[in-house]
Amino acid sequence: QSVLTQPPSASGTPGQTVTISCSGSTSNIGTNYVYWYRRLPGTAPDLLIYDNDQRPSGVPDRFSGSKSGTSASLAISGLRSEDEGDYYCATWDDTLRGPVFGGGTSLTAL
Amino acid sequence: QVQLVQSGSELKNPGASVKVSCKASGYTFTSYPLGWVRQAPGQGLEWMGWINTDTGTPTYARGFRGRFVLSLDTSVSTTYLQIANLQTEDTALYYCARIDTVLPYLDVWGKGTSVTVS
Repeated sequence: QSVLTQPPSASGTPGQTVTISCSGSTSNIGTNYVYWYRRLPGTAPDLLIYDNDQRPSGVPDRFSGSKSGTSASLAISGLRSEDEGDYYCATWDDTLRGPVFGGGTSLTAL
Repeated sequence: QVQLVQSGSELKNPGASVKVSCKASGYTFTSYPLGWVRQAPGQGLEWMGWINTDTGTPTYARGFRGRFVLSLDTSVSTTYLQIANLQTEDTALYYCARIDTVLPYLDVWGKGTSVTVS
């Protein structure tokens, strides 16, 4: 049971906008930055979003992050088949005194 | 370019130990801590712990204290994850990742090392 709750799956047709949610609590998302990682099939995870809504250089602006209260979201606009993979949110948890990940969301482009 | 290169896949018997390496290049090794993340088959990412590459001090997440040891050799810019008394539930992909500024800001990842205990 992950500390952060994500839907196990999400899907959309190419070109659509898909949003993945991440729900936590006041001890984690409510007081700390949220990060989003993507793991494409057969590859290592990579960083998509840091500090709630910032994109590392090289990440297209099709990916955007937001946070409100104890929840965060990742939006992927202009969905492409190559976006298929697993997406994870992460943050620091003040009670556990360590990082926590969401359970991951498997994204499918229909 | 900045890279983390991990050692190859391992197949071990229960009760054995394994040592996974993660070699950094393209930056000053002691300037960034390194962390480890586990992904068991069909499961999500799980934080294991991290090591201060300047002091060599490790910090372990709950559930990874005792059989798991993080160490480093700064002379070869490498950090190690050693797991003792392997159990079948240790079967997983193990990733090292560079920590940028704060946790869990993991800006560079290794490709992962598969450890199978059977």
